[in-house]
Amino acid sequence: DAKTTQPPSMDCAEGRAANLPCNHSTISGNEYVYWYRQIHSQGPQYIIHGLKNNETNEMASLIITEDRKSSTLILPHATLRDTAVYYCIFGGGAGSYQLTFGKGTKLSVIP
Amino acid sequence: DAGITQSPRHKVTETGTPVTLRCHQTENHRYMYWYRQDPGHGLRLIHYSYGVKDTDKGEVSDGYSVSRSKTEDFLLTLESATSSQTSVYFCAISLAGGGGTGELFFGEGSRLTVL
Repeated sequence: DAKTTQPPSMDCAEGRAANLPCNHSTISGNEYVYWYRQIHSQGPQYIIHGLKNNETNEMASLIITEDRKSSTLILPHATLRDTAVYYCIFGGGAGSYQLTFGKGTKLSVIP
Repeated sequence: DAGITQSPRHKVTETGTPVTLRCHQTENHRYMYWYRQDPGHGLRLIHYSYGVKDTDKGEVSDGYSVSRSKTEDFLLTLESATSSQTSVYFCAISLAGGGGTGELFFGEGSRLTVL
């Protein structure tokens, strides 16, 4: 079973910020939070990851709470092409090779 | 895009026949993975490899075997296909298995239908 909790679906107006929440209360101290997305039936695409600090790249921002039990992925200006299933996962700590995907959040960007 | 090629991309077979899916990478990444994706289940890890001839089981490994004789190739075999193995199979690679650089790059998927 997935170790993260995400809402099954969300809507966002085009041009607005999309904020996708994720709970990962069982995360260990050396495990990273990763976000991926999957558009239609394509292979999942890496978005961003972080350990403790907030992170930003050209695609998104990742906000991790101080206790690391939850995080939020922010797409600052959502476009129709951002419609996808977004997966929040954690893992990758020392000695771990597995990243377990849950069911994710289906984000629909509405014109 | 990461150089990952899955073959075949589509296959229809009958119950009881053997099936082999191939994942080929040109990135020289050490780690390779096979996932399956089914409606209502998300992505589930079948097997992974952390080096040539080094493989291990994931969460849904029953009925599957893998082999990795070269860095660039990771084969997934269904010895005797069953209808429950009808799925979309994704190969993924990563430069590192964890520690913050475990970013996965996925192939385009192989759709397998077992009749």
